[in-house]
Amino acid sequence: QVQLQESGPGLVKSSQTLSLTCTVSGASVNSGGHYWTWIRQHPGKGLEWIGYMYSSGTTYYNPSLKSRIAISVDTSRNLFSLRLTSVTAADTAVYYCASWPIHWGQGTLVIVSS
Amino acid sequence: QSALTQPASVSGSPGQSITISCAGTSSDVGGYDYVSWYQQHPGKAPKVMIYDISYRPSGVSNRFSGSKSGNTASLTISGLQAEDEADYYCASFTSINTWVFGGGTKVTVL
Repeated sequence: QVQLQESGPGLVKSSQTLSLTCTVSGASVNSGGHYWTWIRQHPGKGLEWIGYMYSSGTTYYNPSLKSRIAISVDTSRNLFSLRLTSVTAADTAVYYCASWPIHWGQGTLVIVSS
Repeated sequence: QSALTQPASVSGSPGQSITISCAGTSSDVGGYDYVSWYQQHPGKAPKVMIYDISYRPSGVSNRFSGSKSGNTASLTISGLQAEDEADYYCASFTSINTWVFGGGTKVTVL
């Protein structure tokens, strides 16, 4: 059973870079067939797909966020990461990582403050 | 990419069946057999109920079923129970190798 756990700062200052990690257990981030994915949910709103990295290393990003995001994998620690640059209050959300489409983490709230 | 279209709310009485629609285009729902459905209770992470149009992950009740016709996918909940009251989201693969969610549907058990 694949399990995922998000971690990172709960508070980020406006204009700075948000960095989150997702630790994976029950699977190797190196193994084929996994789509290591980030999703977010603004407070009281619906889900927004951010992007994913396929096991081969290929990445695909939401066009609306593409210029500000990067997803990477750390095979030595069996985790994958999200970097979101130049954050604003509009990036305040609960961020989820997933082995898309089935296994999700519990989510972590990130608040962007001015 | 535009969000898929779901009804804002659907309701039903215990024991009834309800269907939630998810309307897209030929560039997403209609073009691929990759639609997933998620259930989300307040304060909880989403849980996959259906993937690849109609496949149920292990542990998901067979009261949940998925289908697709043209550019619209559907989730049917049969034998509605109080525990089914939640928000439901569809998601589809798109022609630019991304995924897009629907706006979500609030299911109320009367």
